[in-house]
Amino acid sequence: DSGVTQTPKHLITATGQRVTLRCSPRSGDLSVYWYQQSLDQGLQFLIQYYNGEERAKGNILERFSAQQFPDLHSELNLSSLELGDSALYFCASSGSRGSSYNSPLHFGNGTRLTVT
Amino acid sequence: AQSVTQLDSHVSVSEGTPVLLRCNYSSSYSPSLFWYVQHPNKGLQLLLKYTSAATLVKGINGFEAEFKKSETSFHLTKPSAHMSDAAEYFCVVSGGTSYGKLTFGQGTILTVHP
Repeated sequence: DSGVTQTPKHLITATGQRVTLRCSPRSGDLSVYWYQQSLDQGLQFLIQYYNGEERAKGNILERFSAQQFPDLHSELNLSSLELGDSALYFCASSGSRGSSYNSPLHFGNGTRLTVT
Repeated sequence: AQSVTQLDSHVSVSEGTPVLLRCNYSSSYSPSLFWYVQHPNKGLQLLLKYTSAATLVKGINGFEAEFKKSETSFHLTKPSAHMSDAAEYFCVVSGGTSYGKLTFGQGTILTVHP
């Protein structure tokens, strides 16, 4: 058990809809990362938050947004959903108080999003 | 800029035989390198990491990897495969940014035959 919790495990929704994915990081970890994993694109980095602030942005679409709350949990919001957004979305956390860029990531089990 | 290439998308071995998963990287900085494993319907689990200490890194479940700067490689090996090793393996490079945007390889699916 990585200590990272993601909810829900599965989500099925229709095109055009909006969903929210939730992540609770490992206790003490300040950084939260969001990744999208699809068959054709592999594992793609979306965005990182560190202690409530956005730190790095990857291949995240404008229809997607995220935030990290004071209790350090994070939410990824996906709107105007398209069929191509169907994927496994992972949250990961790293770095306790002495966070460095060499800290390994601890991944949750992911949320499988299916857009129909 | 950094990138990572996993040279084999699929590797198939028999139980009890050695495993070799190949990874080459490119980085403008002194990289940190990781191997992660993903079992079906699970998140990624860290196997091992290299962060400029010993070039031969030992990880969990009997895996190890050797950092070879001259070859820009970080191949993952295990002397004897077990059925439970069947999974997808990701080579990952990190470096050059303060807050660690990792670059993942495309993954290698390891199949272990009885």
